[in-house]
Amino acid sequence: GAGVSQSPSNKVTEKGKDVELRCDPISGHTALYWYRQSLGQGLEFLIYFQGNSAPDKSGLPSDRFSAERTGGSVSTLTIQRTQQEDSAVYLCASSSWGTNNEQFFGPGTRLTVL
Amino acid sequence: QKEVEQDPGPLSVPEGAIVSLNCTYSNSAFQYFMWYRQYSRKGPELLMYTYSSGNKEDGRFTAQVDKSSKYISLFIRDSQPSDSATYLCAMSAITGRRALTFGSGTRLQVQP
Repeated sequence: GAGVSQSPSNKVTEKGKDVELRCDPISGHTALYWYRQSLGQGLEFLIYFQGNSAPDKSGLPSDRFSAERTGGSVSTLTIQRTQQEDSAVYLCASSSWGTNNEQFFGPGTRLTVL
Repeated sequence: QKEVEQDPGPLSVPEGAIVSLNCTYSNSAFQYFMWYRQYSRKGPELLMYTYSSGNKEDGRFTAQVDKSSKYISLFIRDSQPSDSATYLCAMSAITGRRALTFGSGTRLQVQP
């Protein structure tokens, strides 16, 4: 079956603009994660959704970042008033809920803030 | 100090060599251990998954977890140029926060 998909693959924006990044998880996966990968910081957790539970937002770096997941499937990560330090690759992963925690990643969205 | 430490490399080996990649960690709550392979400008690809301590083998890849030493390893036998990539270790607890904590990644170059 299809893996995790993300769009757009690349996004260039100007400082101060808002951006929306989309993630389509693997069908049937109830858990969805957003991570950010940047040169200086490696791969960092941002936010986690599991079923209908309240999301774990503990990794969001500022209140300019938010995410939602509609219908337990597709998720959108929104960054408001983008800053140059937001430039990174934003990765989405999904997993099935159970006794393991194997997470499967999408190809990522490369965000460049000018 | 980071929760997960991984030597960034780069590690350069000749084709056919056995490669050993390692991570150490400090959080004793970690029970799930994974290795991901990441090619340039691609998303991480799950290679190996281990729960708690022990060994797991899959083809040319062997993952080992030593919880008493808080040390995990990935061995690649008969390495190929196509194995050239960045290898990331990742781990998480069973309960509570299930987000993965990653090492910084080791860049591997297999020379033909």
